[in-house]
Amino acid sequence: LAKTTQPISMDSYEGQEVNITCSHNNIATNDYITWYQQFPSQGPRFIIQGYKTKVTNEVASLFIPADRKSSTLSLPRVSLSDTAVYYCLVGDMDSSYKLIFGSGTRLLVRP
Amino acid sequence: GAGVSQSPSNKVTEKGKDVELRCDPISGHTALYWYRQSLGQGLEFLIYFQGNSAPDKSGLPSDRFSAERTGGSVSTLTIQRTQQEDSAVYLCASSKDYLSTDTQYFGPGTRLTVL
Repeated sequence: LAKTTQPISMDSYEGQEVNITCSHNNIATNDYITWYQQFPSQGPRFIIQGYKTKVTNEVASLFIPADRKSSTLSLPRVSLSDTAVYYCLVGDMDSSYKLIFGSGTRLLVRP
Repeated sequence: GAGVSQSPSNKVTEKGKDVELRCDPISGHTALYWYRQSLGQGLEFLIYFQGNSAPDKSGLPSDRFSAERTGGSVSTLTIQRTQQEDSAVYLCASSKDYLSTDTQYFGPGTRLTVL
């Protein structure tokens, strides 16, 4: 099975930019990379999705290098409410219908 | 419906009992997914449906777990002879189709506690 790797946790302060990187060496040619956010006692919520280069929406930016073996979620000027677990999601080359979540990164934003 | 719904929201059962968890996906979504999340852990993929078909059930933890989907809509996840290690939050998600570009919309989950 393809494996994704993320830092287990990150700390930041309000107003800072946070970058979370996910490694996904076995990403398939046609697969996109999607990031989700999860607050306690809630299901994950879609943040952003991309295929290559850079994608930006009102919440975050996603940077994907040419080889697509990693991706970086960038959260500008985080606030306390951004404290959550962040997951990256990619397709699996070995079994293309099976989506695999990364291990998740627990982001703590301090005042 | 407006979103994915799951029932019950909480279920407490005794070891050895069978439980059924229900998921109502967003109307028109052909793909449906079940995940499990143990306390403080990441999401564990269990099974997915494309229509009523489940092409791969290998994510199910044991033969005590089964799932079905009827009418391309509602899905039930059944756990037979529950064990304490089955305690977790069971999350259901649906998407318009199975493509990695299709956003998965998650329900609130069912918290299962096996005593």
